[in-house]
Amino acid sequence: KAGVTQTPRYLIKTRGQQVTLSCSPISGHRSVSWYQQTPGQGLQFLFEYFSETQRNKGNFPGRFSGRQFSNSRSEMNVSTLELGDSALYLCASSLGQGPNEKLFFGSGTQLSVL
Amino acid sequence: AQKVTQAQTEISVVEKEDVTLDCVYETRDTTYYLFWYKQPPSGELVFLIRRNSFDEQNEISGRYSWNFQKSTSSFNFTITASQVVDSAVYFCALSGPSGGGNKLTFGTGTQLKVEL
Repeated sequence: KAGVTQTPRYLIKTRGQQVTLSCSPISGHRSVSWYQQTPGQGLQFLFEYFSETQRNKGNFPGRFSGRQFSNSRSEMNVSTLELGDSALYLCASSLGQGPNEKLFFGSGTQLSVL
Repeated sequence: AQKVTQAQTEISVVEKEDVTLDCVYETRDTTYYLFWYKQPPSGELVFLIRRNSFDEQNEISGRYSWNFQKSTSSFNFTITASQVVDSAVYFCALSGPSGGGNKLTFGTGTQLKVEL
């Protein structure tokens, strides 16, 4: 069974641009979550989608948005990029959406904002 | 609010030594779940174990063992006879109804370096 796939693996953007990251969950998984990882703030929850609906959202500005498609694939978008958005963005999928769910993570997209 | 504290930032050991990674958590939920994840240099977080708040039975799996103590809000992880391949960042995480959905609250991680 293929794991969680994130594309692209690396991305370099400049301030003010926007970026879209993609995540393909494990087949059969209906929940997709996104996390931001930085050296200063660690791993922080961005949002969770289940059956194409955002179920939970972390404490991030509105520049961060996401969506989930009918095949459970998900994208997240960051508009008007800032230097502080440089981070590893990790996507995780799970079968369901309860707190007992085991999350399976992708290798992430390393975003650098210059 | 949920909080996870991993006080050890970095641990260095020599191969074959035993090493324990500490994790202390805070939550107001009565039912909650605790996890350990491993992050090798490739970046992917790898699931190691999940425990629910009603299951305080400690577990051993090969060289890994976990000690869950609700009385002290701790969920420690021990690697016996460490190997170089164990070198990674280890994260303790917590989920529960107050966080919503399957949201994980992570600790800051412990960098484990196992040297020959």
